[in-house]
Amino acid sequence: EDQVTQSPEALRLQEGESSSLNCSYTVSGLRGLFWYRQDPGKGPEFLFTLYSAGEEKEKERLKATLTKKESFLHITAPKPEDSATYLCAVNTNAGKSTFGDGTTLTVKP
Amino acid sequence: DAGVTQSPTHLIKTRGQQVTLRCSPISGHKSVSWYQQVLGQGPQFIFQYYEKEERGRGNFPDRFSARQFPNYSSELNVNALLLGDSALYLCASSLMRDPGTQYFGPGTRLLVL
Repeated sequence: EDQVTQSPEALRLQEGESSSLNCSYTVSGLRGLFWYRQDPGKGPEFLFTLYSAGEEKEKERLKATLTKKESFLHITAPKPEDSATYLCAVNTNAGKSTFGDGTTLTVKP
Repeated sequence: DAGVTQSPTHLIKTRGQQVTLRCSPISGHKSVSWYQQVLGQGPQFIFQYYEKEERGRGNFPDRFSARQFPNYSSELNVNALLLGDSALYLCASSLMRDPGTQYFGPGTRLLVL
């Protein structure tokens, strides 16, 4: 069975304090790994797709990386508006997407 | 361009009732997936539809059913509602050539009393 585990469950940072979120996965036939941002009461917002180990993607203060067993979302010099829940998901050759339970990030000014 | 739309935004039902949730995908997207999200957890896959056919189903009971229409919009039906069905129901659309890159709607918040 496909499994996605995110850590930590919650992360509190001061504005400007860089950190990383972890997503470890166990799947058969990885087709892609995806990061989403979700604000309270809203649907997830697509951030990145990673397809193969060694791949990296960047967007503003966020950078996602992928290895054969895990992915990291690095947040550089975060701002309060980066506060949200960050979800990791994997899509397999069977066409199914499995999500982790997310990391809730709070950035204090 | 309009994003994924869902209706209604909120819904209150009682146990045993039936509910229908609706979703319109992004123009040009032919794949629609449904997810259930309980507070504090990630979305759980319910169904994927492409070209009006079911392409994937998650571990949900037969009380859950869905369909996709010729215009690629979709409905999710839940019969014999239970208290545990209270959740945020999310619809996502994607291009079939890249099914994992999904664009989500705002969701329908269902409360079962």
